[in-house]
Amino acid sequence: RKEVEQDPGPFNVPEGATVAFNCTYSNSASQSFFWYRQDCRKEPKLLMSVYSSGNEDGRFTAQLNRASQYISLLIRDSKLSDSATYLCVVTATGNQFYFGTGTSLTVIP
Amino acid sequence: DAGITQSPRHKVTETGTPVTLRCHQTENHRYMYWYRQDPGHGLRLIHYSYGVKDTDKGEVSDGYSVSRSKTEDFLLTLESATSSQTSVYFCAISYSAIYNEQFFGPGTRLTVL
Repeated sequence: RKEVEQDPGPFNVPEGATVAFNCTYSNSASQSFFWYRQDCRKEPKLLMSVYSSGNEDGRFTAQLNRASQYISLLIRDSKLSDSATYLCVVTATGNQFYFGTGTSLTVIP
Repeated sequence: DAGITQSPRHKVTETGTPVTLRCHQTENHRYMYWYRQDPGHGLRLIHYSYGVKDTDKGEVSDGYSVSRSKTEDFLLTLESATSSQTSVYFCAISYSAIYNEQFFGPGTRLTVL
């Protein structure tokens, strides 16, 4: 079983829509959680960390559900510039970060 | 942006030749990582380093070796390149192994013919 699993999509949404991605993880001892954004042929860049109490950064909201072992990312009022692949990342003991394969989002005019 | 560079950025080589990729950081972070990214597989860890001369294997380490003789440099070597090693290689750094995010270099696109 993979450490981290994501729905690959693609998600095609109109501008202004709200879209949500989920990511499940298998290790109940996972310590830290992140969402990254990756544009085509570019490196992944940190979008936001995910805290136990949930956190918000502008139009982006991240949630963690430890009981069900998933994290989520909500994007409100989607912009064309939000089109990218979104990666969820989980860390556990052993000096390693575990990446999902990514969810592709295209925002349509 | 974090100070991470990778060289070369693009390389085409032939099967059987050795290849070395370099990652250089100016952030003085302890942890450095090499990943490869392929369609359908996402990012997979090749090797990582938790200090000068301290390295360990990741998920897909066969055919690769690494060295870290200085805090700022982490080298990835393909001893004898194969076509299956055609990929995009990313270097990443982090302040700690678990609690801090990773920052990525711009990547090296390697083609093995």
